[in-house]
Amino acid sequence: EIVLTQSPATLSLSPGERATLSCRASQSVSSYLAWYQQKPGQAPRLLIYDASNRATGIPPRFSGSGSGTDFTLTISSLEPEDFAVYYCQQRGSWPLTFGGGTKVEIK
Amino acid sequence: QVQLQVSGPGLVKPSETLSLTCTVSGYSIRNGYYWGWIRQPPGKGLEWIGTVYHSGSTFYNPSLKSRVTISVDTSKNQFSLKLTSVAAADTAVYYCARDGSGSASGWFDPWGQGALVTVSS
Repeated sequence: EIVLTQSPATLSLSPGERATLSCRASQSVSSYLAWYQQKPGQAPRLLIYDASNRATGIPPRFSGSGSGTDFTLTISSLEPEDFAVYYCQQRGSWPLTFGGGTKVEIK
Repeated sequence: QVQLQVSGPGLVKPSETLSLTCTVSGYSIRNGYYWGWIRQPPGKGLEWIGTVYHSGSTFYNPSLKSRVTISVDTSKNQFSLKLTSVAAADTAVYYCARDGSGSASGWFDPWGQGALVTVSS
């Protein structure tokens, strides 16, 4: 099973700042990595699939990069609605697995 | 617009079977895509449970495979989850979602609203 390690666990930033979230896989998943945003009491929402492709309706301030074992989700300028928990998920190998999450909180 | 809705009991006794149904609207399951179940214990991360195709083909997480059955009813545009011999560790919000990749090993989009299932006597 591929283990995804997300860092940092918590990111304290102010609106307008740039957020950089990391996801590291225990073995290569090629570019088969997705990112989700989850707000309290809500289901996760797909942001990025296959490392760098924005899902439908996702604003361009969200971008993904990486391949192999190291991936990054960047939010170029945080909006108030971006404070949430972010998860990565790999589909390079069965079983599908998720990272433990990064909470982006208001500083 | 595809929408998914989870339904089922919110309380299940230990050792009994958890049963949930996901009703899909805005898209016919028989037209394709794979459909999945994911769960999230309170305050914790996400765990993929399994995925089903309209033909009935299934893929399960090995950690749960011995206790899980996922089935599909195309006539009702629904797919279902059964988890046997539940314990407190199975307490979680259970989500259903569409595998957006068109394969069985993809990303999930969209998701249903989720249903909290508590295992307790």
